[in-house]
This record gives sequence, structure tokens and C-alpha cells, in this order.
Amino acid sequence: EADIYQTPRYLVIGTGKKITLECSQTMGHDKMYWYQQDPGMELHLIHYSYGVNSTEKGDLSSESTVSRIRTEHFPLTLESARPSHTSQYLCASSELRRGGGDTQYFGPGTRLTVL
Amino acid sequence: SQQGEEDPQALSIQEGENATMNCSYKTSINNLQWYRQNSGRGLVHLILIRSNEREKHSGRLRVTLDTSKKSSSLLITASRAADTASYFCAGGRGGSQGNLIFGKGTKLSVKP
Repeated sequence: EADIYQTPRYLVIGTGKKITLECSQTMGHDKMYWYQQDPGMELHLIHYSYGVNSTEKGDLSSESTVSRIRTEHFPLTLESARPSHTSQYLCASSELRRGGGDTQYFGPGTRLTVL
Repeated sequence: SQQGEEDPQALSIQEGENATMNCSYKTSINNLQWYRQNSGRGLVHLILIRSNEREKHSGRLRVTLDTSKKSSSLLITASRAADTASYFCAGGRGGSQGNLIFGKGTKLSVKP
């Protein structure tokens, strides 16, 4: 079982609300990721980070933002949630090696529903 | 754009049978990884095969990689009902970015 945690597990909110999805890991991994996944579909990388004070946009454009102030913590924020943001959000982490393509460890996910 | 394409999209078998899932990818990779996802949960890493390897085993799992055809297969032998899950391949990109690109997954159902 990976030591990576996400809260909340489920969130139902109204349109226009600001939300923050929390992700933390205790493995000391430098690299962290956020993926968006619709039910039964593939994962889309929306944000990643190489370490503290590093944030990068992923392959899928997202209206969310992330921050990385501490190694273990990588929160994702939506300033104004919309129904189109309804999805599952998965956080992951990995070691940072020169070769790349490292094994990723995933949290349990946050299932977000925006009404 | 997505790298991996799994085939089939869904597979239903009886307990004890073998399950084979295939994955094709488009660009060059450092390694090819397989992950498992139980319904509504995060992904769990199963096995990694490097680009210079052709076959790898781990318990009931066997993975092959054909870089000339840009394809990989995952074989689960003597399947169990507990193997019911979605299985994703992911191509590991090298270089400074080093991210994974996931396929759409194969949904495996093992009937007792």
C-alpha cells in the first residue's frame, strides 16, 4: 500500500465554489502529479511538479492550479467550480531519476461532482 | 495525445482461464509499465519492462515487449475473481520530463 493520501475522497459542491483537493505523500518523492479521469476512461495528466516551488502544466489543459511549498504536499485548487469539472482526480508521486519514466504511486482519488 | 491503446477494451473470462491484454504505443519509450485499477480507486503498479527487455515475469503476470512493433502484452495466468479490475499500460518517456502516458485501459471481468 502506497503512502500517498488524498482528501476528501468524495466532494459534491455547487457551481462557483472554490475548492482545494489535498494530496500528501510520506515517501519523500520529489516528483508529484495530478491526473483527471472520467469513469471508465484513460488518465489525463493535468499538472506535475519536480520538487518544491516547481509546477508544470500537463498534457490536458485545466482551469485548476497547483502549488508545491513542501515536498510532501501538492494541493490542487479550482477557483470557481463548474459542472464540466465533474470527474475523478488522482494524485501520484515518484522518485526523480535522470532516466525518466519512473514507477508512480497513486492515491485513492477524489471523486468531484459539481452541481 | 494518448500514447497507449489497449486491446480489447473489455474482457470477460471464467476463473482459472488466462487473460491476455495488448497495448500499442506511438512514440519511443524508456520502459512500459502496467497498472491495475479497482473500481473507483487509484492505480497500483504491477510490473515494469525496460525497452531493452523482451519478456518479464512476476508471479502470475507475464509481460512482453516488442519495440519494433511498438506493442506490449500482459498475460495473467490462472485468473481469479479478485483479478477483476481495469488494467492500463503506460509508456515511460525518458529525458528530463520523464512522464508516463497512459492508455485507455482494458476492463477485465473474471467470473467465479
